[in-house]
Amino acid sequence: SQQGEEDPQALSIQEGENATMNCSYKTSINNLQWYRQNSGRGLVHLILIRSNEREKHSGRLRVTLDTSKKSSSLLITASRAADTASYFCATAPTGSNYKLTFGKGTLLTVNP
Amino acid sequence: GAGVSQSPSNKVTEKGKDVELRCDPISGHTALYWYRQSLGQGLEFLIYFQGNSAPDKSGLPSDRFSAERTGGSVSTLTIQRTQQEDSAVYLCASTPTGRSSYEQYFGPGTRLTVT
Repeated sequence: SQQGEEDPQALSIQEGENATMNCSYKTSINNLQWYRQNSGRGLVHLILIRSNEREKHSGRLRVTLDTSKKSSSLLITASRAADTASYFCATAPTGSNYKLTFGKGTLLTVNP
Repeated sequence: GAGVSQSPSNKVTEKGKDVELRCDPISGHTALYWYRQSLGQGLEFLIYFQGNSAPDKSGLPSDRFSAERTGGSVSTLTIQRTQQEDSAVYLCASTPTGRSSYEQYFGPGTRLTVT
């Protein structure tokens, strides 16, 4: 079964607005990663947060992790049309740093 | 530098035929992964290679699927007697070794269509 489940499945916003996507998972993790997939392209790693971290920033991205609730959120601030993509969370279970389990993704559309 | 490359980018095959998908990881990356992404779904882990260690084949969906990695570099995923449910995008990824090697670098994928 899927370890990570993103919410919402689809999100449509206007350029300049913030976008928040959530991810829930089921078992204990070593780390949680977010990836972006543009139409017609492979996945690109965005950010990794370890199980002992609560918040991480990278440019316009902010990721939070709540291990007690087994959930994470990805915030994209000041969105751009180029941010239009599918966003996936992926979890690496405790004891394994390679066997990522991906959710089904959130399709983000940023309208110009 | 060059990223992960995969070939072919698209493959259409008839049900029952065998197909081979190729992955060329980033030079120096010792870990290599294969995933399958069906339409509208997340990625499904298939197999993992790390150096000379025995591969983790736990994600292969049936014995029709097999993979090799020759010389610790190029990998080939083979699907025998293809079925329509095998239609998907097959993605390959690689990572370097070391504690910071959690990030996976993905190739563009091979879109397989079984008719």
